[in-house]
Amino acid sequence: ELKVEQNPLFLSMQEGKNYTIYCNYSTTSDRLYWYRQDPGKSLESLFVLLSNGAVKQEGRLMASLDTKARLSTLHITAAVHDLSATYFCAVDRDRSNYQLIWGAGTKLIIKP
Amino acid sequence: DAMVIQNPRYQVTQFGKPVTLSCSQTLNHNVMYWYQQKSSQAPKLLFHYYDKDFNNEADTPDNFQSRRPNTSFCFLDIRSPGLGDAAMYLCATSSPDSRVHEQYFGPGTRLTVT
Repeated sequence: ELKVEQNPLFLSMQEGKNYTIYCNYSTTSDRLYWYRQDPGKSLESLFVLLSNGAVKQEGRLMASLDTKARLSTLHITAAVHDLSATYFCAVDRDRSNYQLIWGAGTKLIIKP
Repeated sequence: DAMVIQNPRYQVTQFGKPVTLSCSQTLNHNVMYWYQQKSSQAPKLLFHYYDKDFNNEADTPDNFQSRRPNTSFCFLDIRSPGLGDAAMYLCATSSPDSRVHEQYFGPGTRLTVT
């Protein structure tokens, strides 16, 4: 079965702390996507990781991809309240298919 | 700006009363998707189009239908909405011409069934 597993599913943390969200997947995809969703809103693309070893950073968020381990991480540095959201990772079902397989999402709450 | 637009943003319908949600895009993408998302869950793919080719997910109920009259527009028809169909409906697009299958989402339509 094709699966994408995120952990933790829920994370409450204090401002200023660092933390990592993990995304494991079972497909052979070498492309992984991170999306952010604010409550009641749509999904916004954060990062597209295209190959093994890819690392992308935007502000306090950094995403990396290890295709051999089938693992991606989303690292939060010195968290601020504005980063509170649900974060989803997704992978291609396969190269010839235009569907994504989604993780369950990680709900992140950052307390001031 | 190129974008994905959904109308209406909020829709209230009665149990069993047909409803149509619309999506348009200015990205000129070949692929359009409809997702259903319930609270605190991942988006669930209902179907997608590659140009005019329709691809239905095996577990999408027959109650859900879709039309894509041209590249820019796609519609989701719910023939007889039930209480369980209350959800956020998200339209997305992607371009097979690019190496990635990054999907671009519209703002969503929040459907309430009374």
